[in-house]
Amino acid sequence: DTEVTQTPKHLVMGMTNKKSLKCEQHMGHRAMYWYKQKAKKPPELMFVYSYEKLSINESVPSRFSPECPNSSLLNLHLHALQPEDSALYLCASSQGRGSGGPTDTQYFGPGTRLTVL
Amino acid sequence: RKEVEQDPGPFNVPEGATVAFNCTYSNSASQSFFWYRQDCRKEPKLLMSVYSSGNEDGRFTAQLNRASQYISLLIRDSKLSDSATYLCVVDDSWGKLQFGAGTQVVVTP
Repeated sequence: DTEVTQTPKHLVMGMTNKKSLKCEQHMGHRAMYWYKQKAKKPPELMFVYSYEKLSINESVPSRFSPECPNSSLLNLHLHALQPEDSALYLCASSQGRGSGGPTDTQYFGPGTRLTVL
Repeated sequence: RKEVEQDPGPFNVPEGATVAFNCTYSNSASQSFFWYRQDCRKEPKLLMSVYSSGNEDGRFTAQLNRASQYISLLIRDSKLSDSATYLCVVDDSWGKLQFGAGTQVVVTP
């Protein structure tokens, strides 16, 4: 089973709202990722968690705040977003064998389509 | 220069025909190579990993040319359901994946 689940599927929020995106995997993967994807563009990496610790932050604005409560869950807390943040937010996971060597295959969830009004 | 470059297409392919396209990458230290497919408004799904010796999965064949730093994907006997955007994905040798902009394939009846 290579399933990554994400909730909600769709989210509409105002610029003053606070909301959270959730991601879950039960494959025993130890690396989890948040990506942002705009229409007709490839996914852009935002954050990487490895063994529940934040290992990469791709200079993402602080209005996006990731959290990894345990090895199966990954959240993305949203606050004071801008309309240009509207996009598909994808969560992914991989085995996470650590640094060095070939990079693991990443498996993506279905995404949350976010609209900021 | 982009790290991973792909012909955006679209490649218009009659049903049953063969289509092939390449992707070039700039980092000679890359070790992991993948093809993902992405349907409109859906998530990327792994199509296949690409190995040095080349590999085949049914109607799909992937090749890696390290000397020239490109990978290729060939689809035989195209089906309507093969219509999608194919993303070339290469690691940056530090554990991050880099995505090409995708090649759109449209299979027509």
